[in-house]
Amino acid sequence: QKEVEQNSGPLSVPEGAIASLNCTYSDRGSQSFFWYRQYSGKSPELIMFIYSNGDKEDGRFTAQLNKASQYVSLLIRDSQPSDSATYLCAVNGRSNYQLIWGAGTKLIIKP
Amino acid sequence: NAGVMQNPRHLVRRRGQEARLRCSPMKGHSHVYWYRQLPEEGLKFMVYLQKENIIDESGMPKERFSAEFPKEGPSILRIQQVVRGDSAAYFCASSLRLADNEQFFGPGTRLTVL
Repeated sequence: QKEVEQNSGPLSVPEGAIASLNCTYSDRGSQSFFWYRQYSGKSPELIMFIYSNGDKEDGRFTAQLNKASQYVSLLIRDSQPSDSATYLCAVNGRSNYQLIWGAGTKLIIKP
Repeated sequence: NAGVMQNPRHLVRRRGQEARLRCSPMKGHSHVYWYRQLPEEGLKFMVYLQKENIIDESGMPKERFSAEFPKEGPSILRIQQVVRGDSAAYFCASSLRLADNEQFFGPGTRLTVL
């Protein structure tokens, strides 16, 4: 079992709809969870981080964490074509600084 | 621009040559991390350095790979005697504090080994 798993997609969502991205992780001791966006050929860009169970909202983005079920999700409201990218989930590993990454979900927002 | 800088952006090497990848962290950041990303895969942690110290190199292959972060100048990731399997994107990230998970990424160096 991979340490951090994501559906590779592509996930196709119509413009204006809500995009829902999911991530599961295997280490119950993980404390920090991150969502990065990566455009093709570019570097990862931090969108959100979450440390506590529940929801965290930032503009059109909401991160949701459920430690009991070991999953973290990212919701994107009012999806725009510019949101089309690969979304990477990262979880802290055995050390706080060492991030374990999922392979990413490719999101396509259709106009 | 005070972002993380990496150079070169693209590097082509023949098998057996050496590759040197450079990273300058964000201004004020003294923690540097190197990651490797293969096509269609997530990033893999390689090494974590502070100025003049390697803190954790558990993700780095034991042979041919080395990293440094001197007192002056950029961090260097060095790959000796490159092989085709080394072809990947190599990203550097930096953070302000030790326990700071907010790592900011450079644009990456795309290494192609012929």
